Amino acid sequence: ETGVTQTPRHLVMGMTNKKSLKCEQHLGHNAMYWYKQSAKKPLELMFVYSLEERVENNSVPSRFSPECPNSSHLFLHLHTLQPEDSALYLCASSQDSGGDGAFFGQGTRLTVV
Amino acid sequence: QKEVEQDPGPLSVPEGAIVSLNCTYSNSAFQYFMWYRQYSRKGPELLMYTYSSGNKEDGRFTAQVDKSSKYISLFIRDSQPSDSATYLCAMTPGFQKLVFGTGTRLLVSP
Repeated sequence: ETGVTQTPRHLVMGMTNKKSLKCEQHLGHNAMYWYKQSAKKPLELMFVYSLEERVENNSVPSRFSPECPNSSHLFLHLHTLQPEDSALYLCASSQDSGGDGAFFGQGTRLTVV
Repeated sequence: QKEVEQDPGPLSVPEGAIVSLNCTYSNSAFQYFMWYRQYSRKGPELLMYTYSSGNKEDGRFTAQVDKSSKYISLFIRDSQPSDSATYLCAMTPGFQKLVFGTGTRLLVSP
């Protein structure tokens, strides 16, 4: 795949597990995002990184911890999640303004059991 | 009131029909408007983006923005079964703050 690549595509984890989601973009963009998509709800912005610095955290619980080591890579570290955290987690990237739109990866389907 | 309102559908049309998908919004600061298509079990795919009011055409797709009414539309001409997907509108005042609608599910029957 080109553009924005996410791994893994599917993840099942217990409430006491620790796991990480990975995102890589090949578009030369300087902003990266994590979104959560739940059934019948709009995409929820979780985190925004611009030039590797976090610029927005939309009141996300601390059991979600992002990491952006460089402008091409983004991680979402997960620990002690709840069943209601089960959702599709989408990574996206854009040029800094966001006005040209964001490009999304295929997502990680997370199930918390 | 939600910042962006979008009818969830489903919207069912026969092949070849003209489809109209719409969103309304409340924040007058929005300047950039986008439409995404999302197939089942896939990430959203950017279809079109426009700046401010006006029309933009790309093949069978036309995006229309009316800022005075806070209303945006996506028209699909000669719809195909492969157009069956969920269509998400999104908008931003700029600087990464994309706000999405809930999406409209479109079903095009052969």
